[in-house]
Amino acid sequence: QITLKESGPTLVKPTQTLTLTCTFSGFSLSTGGVGVGWIRQPPGKALEWLALIFWDDDKRYSPSLKSRLTITKDTSKNQVVLSMTNMDPVDTATYYCAHRQGAGDYDYWGQGTLVTVSS
Amino acid sequence: EIVLTQSPATLSLSPGERATLSCRASQSVSNYLAWYQQKPGQAPRLLIYDASNRATGIPARFSGSGSGTDFTLTISSLEPEDFAVYYCQQRSNLWTFGQGTKVEIK
Repeated sequence: QITLKESGPTLVKPTQTLTLTCTFSGFSLSTGGVGVGWIRQPPGKALEWLALIFWDDDKRYSPSLKSRLTITKDTSKNQVVLSMTNMDPVDTATYYCAHRQGAGDYDYWGQGTLVTVSS
Repeated sequence: EIVLTQSPATLSLSPGERATLSCRASQSVSNYLAWYQQKPGQAPRLLIYDASNRATGIPARFSGSGSGTDFTLTISSLEPEDFAVYYCQQRSNLWTFGQGTKVEIK
């Protein structure tokens, strides 16, 4: 049974760096083909893909946010960490981590964590 | 960046009716197109991947079709639990999502 759960601050100030952790179980991020991605959703708006890390440590980023994002993994802890610098109120959103299935889409999602950016 | 445009923005239907949702890509994505369902306060759920393959546990009333730039999600007969927002997503070039179609009760 695959599960994922996001954790991190619920409130950050403008210009600060956000660090979110995705802790997962039921799969290994050292298994070929596996990936974990981050997707966010501002209140009442659409989903926006942010980043993905593969089992072999290959990484992909959204072009529009690439300069602000860093994704890393700790295979021994079953965790993936997303950092986003220079936070702004427009970054207020629910942030989800998700398991990328072999076909490439996201078949298991965490419950999401709401991050508010405000002074 | 590949842009996905979904139509209509809102679909008002009654239970038992057929729902047809559209997703158009700004350039060809081959068949690398998925559909998700999202209910209020919940994470998205994968329904269809590779344009026409149902994900595990998805009822047969959900079907997907299309290739290249034009795709369709069809719900053959709406059940009460199907009223939700639906997103398409491409994985041909990184990943992007459409803006969503809300299926609401008429």
